[in-house]
Amino acid sequence: AQTVTQSQPEMSVQEAETVTLSCTYDTSESNYYLFWYKQPPSRQMILVIRQEAYKQQNATENRFSVNFQKAAKSFSLKISDSQLGDTAMYFCAFMYTGANSKLTFGKGITLSVRP
Amino acid sequence: KAGVTQTPRYLIKTRGQQVTLSCSPISGHRSVSWYQQTPGQGLQFLFEYFSETQRNKGNFPGRFSGRQFSNSRSEMNVSTLELGDSALYLCASSPTGGDGYGYTFGSGTRLTVV
Repeated sequence: AQTVTQSQPEMSVQEAETVTLSCTYDTSESNYYLFWYKQPPSRQMILVIRQEAYKQQNATENRFSVNFQKAAKSFSLKISDSQLGDTAMYFCAFMYTGANSKLTFGKGITLSVRP
Repeated sequence: KAGVTQTPRYLIKTRGQQVTLSCSPISGHRSVSWYQQTPGQGLQFLFEYFSETQRNKGNFPGRFSGRQFSNSRSEMNVSTLELGDSALYLCASSPTGGDGYGYTFGSGTRLTVV
């Protein structure tokens, strides 16, 4: 079974600064996807970024980038130029490829961006 | 393009009752998954439906069931409600599921059991 661990329950960052959220996972699969989801107070889970395990290049989406270390089973999210609207819970998630797959989530981290 | 729509947004039920939650996926998406979110257990997978068939199921008792219609809309039913069923129930849709594009989530139904 896959497990996803987010060991930091809370983080705080000053507006315009950079913050890194950590995530580790455990799996015996070789083909899988990793995701970071954001859940603001509105409750809707929003996909921030995705990474395919077979790609060595780290994914980037505007101010969001990941540091994917497959051998170490680590998948951290870096948020540059933090904005007040980034305040939310962030979940790291794992999904193996193919039918019958499902998202396995970490416990999440609460990120607060201070003005 | 309309997103994933879940109804109702809030629901209060009494122990022992049953409840039905609805999810309309993004047009063209055939995979619909359901997740339960609680402060203690986090996000847990309930089940996934694809083309009206349950394709995958999480570790929940039989009181939790679901179905999918030919238009891909899905419903989730919980019978004999318990206090511990109080949670945010999230629905997510995907073109085919497991394709790695990521799931699009709805805003959830907040169920409170009293």
